[in-house]
Amino acid sequence: AQTVTQSQPEMSVQEAETVTLSCTYDTSESDYYLFWYKQPPSRQMILVIRQEAYKQQNATENRFSVNFQKAAKSFSLKISDSQLGDAAMYFCAVNYGQNFVFGPGTRLSVLP
Amino acid sequence: AAGVIQSPRHLIKEKRETATLKCYPIPRHDTVYWYQQGPGQDPQFLISFYEKMQSDKGSIPDRFSAQQFSDYHSELNMSSLELGDSALYFCASSPWTGRRETQYFGPGTRLLVL
Repeated sequence: AQTVTQSQPEMSVQEAETVTLSCTYDTSESDYYLFWYKQPPSRQMILVIRQEAYKQQNATENRFSVNFQKAAKSFSLKISDSQLGDAAMYFCAVNYGQNFVFGPGTRLSVLP
Repeated sequence: AAGVIQSPRHLIKEKRETATLKCYPIPRHDTVYWYQQGPGQDPQFLISFYEKMQSDKGSIPDRFSAQQFSDYHSELNMSSLELGDSALYFCASSPWTGRRETQYFGPGTRLLVL
């Protein structure tokens, strides 16, 4: 079975600081996509960033960037200059075939 | 930009009743997915449709059924509701371009079964 693991159930970061959320996954496929979704208290699922497995270059979206290590099956999210609005549940997801597999999530708190 | 629309946003039902959730994908998206997210849990994949045909099936109970219509909207039908069906139900859509694509999520339908 395909699995996605997020080993940090909770994380906290000081406002304006940098935090890294970890994600590892297990797949035998060579072609897949990886995603980070953010779920604030409103529970809307918001796409933060995505990475195509066949691309070696790490994706970046403004203050959000990933460290994709394909051989290690690792896909971490770095949030720079953390803001209060970044506080949310963060889910790592991997697209195997037609559906996603989500990790259990990391709850990020941002301290003023 | 248009987003995924789900209706209703909130629904309260009694045990053993039926419920129908609707999803309207982003225009030109031909693939629809349904997820169930219980309190404090990650979203669990239920079922997906591509071009009006079921494309994949996850942990969807036999009491639930779904379909995608000619206009690409989808409906999730839930019968004999149980207390454990109380959850947030997400619909997501994506375009099919021959590669695995990003799923864009709707705001969800909160179902409460009493």
